[in-house]
Amino acid sequence: EAEVAQSPRYKITEKSQAVAFWCDPISGHATLYWYRQILGQGPELLVQFQDESVVDDSQLPKDRFSAERLKGVDSTLKIQPAELGDSAMYLCASSLQGAKNEQYFGPGTRLTVT
Amino acid sequence: GEDVEQSLFLSVREGDSSVINCTYTDSSSTYLYWYKQEPGAGLQLLTYIFSNMDMKQDQRLTVLLNKKDKHLSLRIADTQTGDSAIYFCATKASSYKLIFGSGTRLLVRP
Repeated sequence: EAEVAQSPRYKITEKSQAVAFWCDPISGHATLYWYRQILGQGPELLVQFQDESVVDDSQLPKDRFSAERLKGVDSTLKIQPAELGDSAMYLCASSLQGAKNEQYFGPGTRLTVT
Repeated sequence: GEDVEQSLFLSVREGDSSVINCTYTDSSSTYLYWYKQEPGAGLQLLTYIFSNMDMKQDQRLTVLLNKKDKHLSLRIADTQTGDSAIYFCATKASSYKLIFGSGTRLLVRP
């Protein structure tokens, strides 16, 4: 069964350092999402891509966060500089194009900023 | 704004039925989802319902939708210890964006 891949699974970094997360969506899925899940809460959308284009990044803290999907396949989410409040689970999801299509999630990257 | 509310915790005995409830505010929600999250893992899609349906059954899972009251529930029949997890309700309107609740932690007692 096809799955969304993410790496690393765990990352510990010091505040003010740069950190990057990688996501490989299910083959053929044109839409890719990055979510942030703070402990005890539901995921919140950070950025949505349709192929290589950003569709929604309204909740992305653009002063420190950036995301790219250069060839419309895999994607990287970067934080620079990391802050203590960025400690969370970062989840990637993908779906076929179209509102009715379900989003499938990867295992996530748990970030701890010290 | 859009909001999804869930109770925090539910404890049931193994073999009983579990009912997890969710309320939402966005009346334009077209799809409503239930996801399961086990400790340290991503979210697993369990089932979903389209807004023009009242009920959907899938093996041990039954989803009920009361669109008038904006209330969604997930019933798990014959609950097993492996069902212990956090369950998230999520809604989607025309924006494609999923709005999640804070999750309900289900504990199944042997």
